[in-house]
Amino acid sequence: GAVVSQHPSRVICKSGTSVKIECRSLDFQATTMFWYRQFPKQSLMLMATSNEGSKATYEQGVEKDKFLINHASLTLSTLTVTSAHPEDSSFYICSARPGEVGYTFGSGTRLTVV
Amino acid sequence: QKEVEQDPGPLSVPEGAIVSLNCTYSNSAFQYFMWYRQYSRKGPELLMYTYSSGNKEDGRFTAQVDKSSKYISLFIRDSQPSDSATYLCAGHSGGYQKVTFGIGTKLQVIP
Repeated sequence: GAVVSQHPSRVICKSGTSVKIECRSLDFQATTMFWYRQFPKQSLMLMATSNEGSKATYEQGVEKDKFLINHASLTLSTLTVTSAHPEDSSFYICSARPGEVGYTFGSGTRLTVV
Repeated sequence: QKEVEQDPGPLSVPEGAIVSLNCTYSNSAFQYFMWYRQYSRKGPELLMYTYSSGNKEDGRFTAQVDKSSKYISLFIRDSQPSDSATYLCAGHSGGYQKVTFGIGTKLQVIP
């Protein structure tokens, strides 16, 4: 089946630093990828839609200058959390749709900002 | 009102029981419905993907969609301890439109 690979799975960073999360579609091309954020005991919240070769589309309330998204190829999208603060600590998950089937998710990245 | 409503549980059942998980939704544009299983600290895993109203069966899992009542269900037969996880329902209107998730129901299957 289609696989979406996400790295790193866990990262701890100091407040004020930036963190990059990678999302790769391993056996299919993804012109569109999605980035979600999930807080404990809460649902997945879409942050932005990443489009290959063009600017990402951000959901209302998501700071585009803080959460930089780059989709430079048909198999790779990256999310960079800039100047991270403790309130950015969360579980970040990417997703893509390999054809006319449901969306496939990566394994997620747990970010802890100290 | 949330677009997708789901009881967070937790729901505890004995091993071998039939599990019924349910969601309601409010967006009439939803045409596609999904059920995901999420283990702790992992990404969601797609279990069922259905279009419009009707039933779909895959092994021990059966998904039902009733668009007239905006009600979606997932049934798990012969539940196993390994089924213990959080189950998320979701809907979207097609193409690459935004997928909206429920909060997830935490299921525990007791040996």
